[in-house]
Amino acid sequence: QSALTQPPSASGSPGQSLTISCTGTSSDIGAYSHVSWYRQHPGEAPKLLIYEINKRPSGVPARFSGSKSGNTASLTVSGLQAEDEADYYCNSFAGNNIWVFGGGTTVTVL
Amino acid sequence: QVQLVESGGGVVQPGGSLRLSCVASGFDFSGHNMQWVRQAPGKGLEWVTFISYHGRDKNYADSLKGRFTISRDNSKNTLYLQMDSLRPEDTALYYCLKDSDWSYNGWGQGTMVTVSS
Repeated sequence: QSALTQPPSASGSPGQSLTISCTGTSSDIGAYSHVSWYRQHPGEAPKLLIYEINKRPSGVPARFSGSKSGNTASLTVSGLQAEDEADYYCNSFAGNNIWVFGGGTTVTVL
Repeated sequence: QVQLVESGGGVVQPGGSLRLSCVASGFDFSGHNMQWVRQAPGKGLEWVTFISYHGRDKNYADSLKGRFTISRDNSKNTLYLQMDSLRPEDTALYYCLKDSDWSYNGWGQGTMVTVSS
């Protein structure tokens, strides 16, 4: 049960696009479509942004999108806004009723 | 809407025990798998444990096996986490979560556990 690998930090200017990667193994991300992404502002609980690789829950703007290639999943935030400055976490099912999170990526809006 | 209210956290000495509870409302609790996730102060999210909707299937993070036990009472819409042999590294905010489409949509405020002498 090793944590998924995310870059510790990422940054972008308002209006730009930013992509966060999440690398796992053939036993988690590579094996299943059950990848989700969460955004967490300081002092708040996380919020679901993407589930099942690329599905958005009701209320999440279309500028958030997800994808997967092999053992790596990605979250893209288009049209970066000040409110997007937060921590982002990926999560994947790893089989046998086990889940694993990424270490988190802190996004700074310049 | 989905509401999950965690309780039972507090300060406990190393080696001690605590039982967390999570009362669920706004959805069919007995029809959903449930999980616990934790977050140490200033750190990332860590998956803790899973229980199936009927309570017969469970699994735990490797680092916790043998010390934590998940259970549920569907008649009371309540999820539990029994934590024994607590260590300082178990200090964290513990979230109870509903497994929905293999993800967690709707987080409570969590309950804080501090293990310290």
